[in-house]
Amino acid sequence: QKEVEQNSGPLSVPEGAIASLNCTYSDRGSQSFFWYRQYSGKSPELIMFIYSNGDKEDGRFTAQLNKASQYVSLLIRDSQPSDSATYLCAVPPGGYQKVTFGIGTKLQVIP
Amino acid sequence: DAGITQSPRHKVTETGTPVTLRCHQTENHRYMYWYRQDPGHGLRLIHYSYGVKDTDKGEVSDGYSVSRSKTEDFLLTLESATSSQTSVYFCAISPSSGRTDTQYFGPGTRLTVL
Repeated sequence: QKEVEQNSGPLSVPEGAIASLNCTYSDRGSQSFFWYRQYSGKSPELIMFIYSNGDKEDGRFTAQLNKASQYVSLLIRDSQPSDSATYLCAVPPGGYQKVTFGIGTKLQVIP
Repeated sequence: DAGITQSPRHKVTETGTPVTLRCHQTENHRYMYWYRQDPGHGLRLIHYSYGVKDTDKGEVSDGYSVSRSKTEDFLLTLESATSSQTSVYFCAISPSSGRTDTQYFGPGTRLTVL
């Protein structure tokens, strides 16, 4: 089992819809969870992090964490074509230096 | 944007030649990382540094070495490049390893080994 798993997609949603991106992780000791966005040909950039169970909202983005079930999700409300990118889930295990990234989910927002 | 530059941005080389990639930061961050990104594998950690002259291996370190003689520079060396090392290489920096500290990525280097 991979340490961090994501569906590679592509996930296609119509403009204005809610996009739901999911990530599962294997290390129960993980405390922090990060979502990065990566446009094609560009470098990853952080959009959200969460370390408490429940929801964390930032504008159109909501991160949801369920430690008991070992999954973290990212919801994008009112999806825009500019949200089309690959979304990477990142989870530091016990040693924070060695963050493990999922392979990323490619999101396509259709106008 | 975090002050991170990578050089070169693109490089084509031949199998068996040595290659050095440079990461330079102006943020004075303690931690620096080298990743490679390949289709179907995502970002994989090659090596990282937690201070000047302090480095450690990541999950895909075979065939790579690193050096950090100054806080601002982190070098990645492929002693004898192979075609399997064709990839996009990203450098990242982080101020610490605290649970809320993110990593900031450089623009990447696209390396092709023929």
